[in-house]
Amino acid sequence: AQKVTQAQTEISVVEKEDVTLDCVYETRDTTYYLFWYKQPPSGELVFLIRRNSFDEQNEISGRYSWNFQKSTSSFNFTITASQVVDSAVYFCALSEGYSGAGSYQLTFGKGTKLSVIP
Amino acid sequence: GAGVSQSPRYKVAKRGQDVALRCDPISGHVSLFWYQQALGQGPEFLTYFQNEAQLDKSGLPSDRFFAERPEGSVSTLKIQRTQQEDSAVYLCASSLAGGSYEQYFGPGTRLTVT
Repeated sequence: AQKVTQAQTEISVVEKEDVTLDCVYETRDTTYYLFWYKQPPSGELVFLIRRNSFDEQNEISGRYSWNFQKSTSSFNFTITASQVVDSAVYFCALSEGYSGAGSYQLTFGKGTKLSVIP
Repeated sequence: GAGVSQSPRYKVAKRGQDVALRCDPISGHVSLFWYQQALGQGPEFLTYFQNEAQLDKSGLPSDRFFAERPEGSVSTLKIQRTQQEDSAVYLCASSLAGGSYEQYFGPGTRLTVT
C-alpha cells in the first residue's frame, strides 16, 4: 500500500527566510508519480508540481525548488526567500498508477502548515 | 479558462437527511475524482470516473455514499441518511485523462451534519 509522511505538522519562519518541507513516501511500484499541492486559507488545492519516478532531476520554478531522491524515498520542497503569501498548508501526494483494480488516485500526506511572519 | 466548480459551497444537514453535492469539471477532462477532507487532514480518495464509467469506488466509506456521472461531465455525490461523521469538506478534482496527469481541484463543499 502507498503511504506519504509529512513529519512537520507546522513550521513558522520569518519573511525572507528559506524553508524546506519534507516528504517521505512508501510504494511497491516502480512507476509512480509525486505531487505537491498548496492549500491557502481559502481552501482550494492548487497544483504546484508533478514528477514521475524515472526523473530524479531537481526542479526549480522561481522561488520554489524540489529535490527528489529515490534512494531515500523523499521528495522535499524548498521555498527560497519566503513571503507572507506563501502561508498555507502544503500537501505532498503520491499516485501509484493504474493497477486494473484501482485508479490514479492521489494518496496525500497530512500536510505541513507554513506560517510566514512579516 | 474555467476551473472545477462545486455547489453548494456550504451545506448544513440534519442527521438522517439526504444530500447531493455537485461537481462541474474542467471542460474536456476525462477523469473525475471525489475526495473527502476532514479537518486538519489530507484529502482521502472516495471514487473515480473515467468519462461516465465509475472505475473505482473503493474509497466510499459506506453504502450510504453514491456517486454518478451519467453523461461523462457533471458528477453528483449523494450521501443518504447523513451522520455526524460525514461532516467534512468534499473535494472534486478533474484531470485531462487517466494516468499521471495532474488533478485540478474545485473549492470543495463543506458539509456540516447537525
